[in-house]
Amino acid sequence: EGQLVESGGGLVEPGGSLRLSCAGSGFDFTNAWMNWVRQAPGKGLEWVGRIKTNSDGGTIDYAAPVKGRFTMSRDDSKNTLYLQMNSLRSEDTALYYCSSLKIGVGATEFRGQGTLVTVSS
Amino acid sequence: DIVMTQSPDSLAVSLGERATINCKSSQNILYSSNNKNYFAWYQQKPGQPPKLLFYWASTRESGVPDRFTGSGSGTDFTLTISSLQAEDVAVYYCQQYYDTPYTFGQGTKLEIK
Repeated sequence: EGQLVESGGGLVEPGGSLRLSCAGSGFDFTNAWMNWVRQAPGKGLEWVGRIKTNSDGGTIDYAAPVKGRFTMSRDDSKNTLYLQMNSLRSEDTALYYCSSLKIGVGATEFRGQGTLVTVSS
Repeated sequence: DIVMTQSPDSLAVSLGERATINCKSSQNILYSSNNKNYFAWYQQKPGQPPKLLFYWASTRESGVPDRFTGSGSGTDFTLTISSLQAEDVAVYYCQQYYDTPYTFGQGTKLEIK
């Protein structure tokens, strides 16, 4: 089945930075495209960004609200996905889910419980 | 960006009755080269992460009860629950993965009448 464990969330002041990590196990992490999806309190799902596998070029795409502020990366030797978040704003407050894209399909498989990021002074 | 619009925003259905949720995309998400709709449905129960129900618009994920059906093509898609059970209370989301940003619908909250 496989799982993902997100970590690194917390309370940060506006303008601050935070780095989220996501450790994968029990599935083929190296050959999975990976996503970050976030959910503000009481709101719907918002796609944040996707990183392809290194064999597919490692291409990264971001949603417009985070482009230029957030950076995704992956370390396949550690089965870990990262999200570096800079210049944080109050509207970035959300539960951040790391997720894999179903291999050969592209739909999102949510394998973790998420990590909460709160941006507030 | 492709905009995904769900209807209704909320829905109350009696136990054992049919529930229908619609999702419309602002552009065609049927890829002509493989005749597949790059479209998925998710279920999110309170306090839980979302769960993938359908991909390619109508392919049921393993373990999803067959009272759930996904249908549609092109720009119009439907999720049908043939006989609502108490455990189906949730928020349901559609998503296109045809092109980035992989946009979600706003969600439909399904409750028991």
